[in-house]
This record gives sequence, structure tokens and C-alpha cells, in this order.
Amino acid sequence: DAMVIQNPRYQVTQFGKPVTLSCSQTLNHNVMYWYQQKSSQAPKLLFHYYDKDFNNEADTPDNFQSRRPNTSFCFLDIRSPGLGDAAMYLCATSRAREETQYFGPGTRLLVL
Amino acid sequence: GQSLEQPSEVTAVEGAIVQINCTYQTSGFYGLSWYQQHDGGAPTFLSYNALDGLEETGRFSSFLSRSDSYGYLLLQELQMKDSASYFCAVTGGFKTIFGAGTRLFVKA
Repeated sequence: DAMVIQNPRYQVTQFGKPVTLSCSQTLNHNVMYWYQQKSSQAPKLLFHYYDKDFNNEADTPDNFQSRRPNTSFCFLDIRSPGLGDAAMYLCATSRAREETQYFGPGTRLLVL
Repeated sequence: GQSLEQPSEVTAVEGAIVQINCTYQTSGFYGLSWYQQHDGGAPTFLSYNALDGLEETGRFSSFLSRSDSYGYLLLQELQMKDSASYFCAVTGGFKTIFGAGTRLFVKA
């Protein structure tokens, strides 16, 4: 089945220790997104790639970076996680930016 | 800018019908989407309206009025498993903004 896959599903890291979350898709969609979602809040867009074109949201902290080495994979790098970065991180894809987004299962990040 | 408003909570009984409203302000509009999210899970796409009118998918229907910047999600024959958060999301200007979500509680 075509899908969006995120690994790991749960990630524990230490304060200040870099962490990388991964997302892959078999939908062959052009757009890949990273969202941060905290408890009882809406998903907050961090950035997205349209093909290789990176689009950062104005309020995304510099601590968050992303890489998209090919169509199928996209990574979220958190350079120095703080306690406030503990959240669910959601990857989504869409064929075009104005089209429906399909989400992966998410990675829950815990910062100790 | 873009903003969405939806109720924070709705409670209904099993078998009933519930409507979750969403009003929006956006610069540029492509469509209104609805997502369901269970606790600890990821948002799951439910429906999408780009044009005015009603879209029906099984027990779920979604309505859009672009002139009123308004839409709603209608859930019929409610089941306990429908207890979840429901997000409306507006796509416009190459960007999708999510509402804060409506928590639906279904009681027996």
C-alpha cells in the first residue's frame, strides 16, 4: 500500500543532544511537510519541500533543519533539543501544495 | 493573514447526528479539508471541499460556502469510535492552516 512512514515512532533524547527524525513516502508526491504538534493543539507547520525547493516558515526556530535527499525521503534534524521541543512530529505529503495532505503516524519526541 | 475558528468541544450521544462548524479568513482559497485525529495518533484525511455544496462519504459529509467563508463536517449515526479531535484546514496561497481542533465526545 502506498503510504507515509515515519521512524522511529518514539524517540527519547537528552537536552542538547542532536536528533534526527525520518520520513519516507511511496506516494511519489512532490511536496513533503514537517509539522510539530503539542498536546491539544493544532499541527504547526515547520517547513515544507516542493520537490527540492525548501520553504521555511518564518517562525520556525533555527534549531530545526530539514533535508530531502530524494523524492522519497525527508529528514528533520533538531540540532540542540530543548525541553520545549518535546512534541509529536508529523510528516505529511501532497501531490501539489494546494492538494490534500496525507500524514504519517508521527514520531513522539521526549527530551530528558 | 489566515485564521480558522471551530468549537473547542462537542458532546453527542451514540446514534445521533453532530455538526462541527468552521469559519475561516484566508488570502487566497483553494479548499477546505477535514481531518480526524484519535489520541496519540496522526491526523487522518476525511474530506475536501473546493467548491460550494455538500460532499458525502459514508456517514461523514462536509459542506462549504465560499461566499460565507464557512464550512461544516456532519457526522451521522455516531459511534463510540468517532470520539476524537476533528480539525478543519484551509489551503490558500500554497499554504495549509489548521484550526485548533474540535474535541468530540460520544456518549453511550
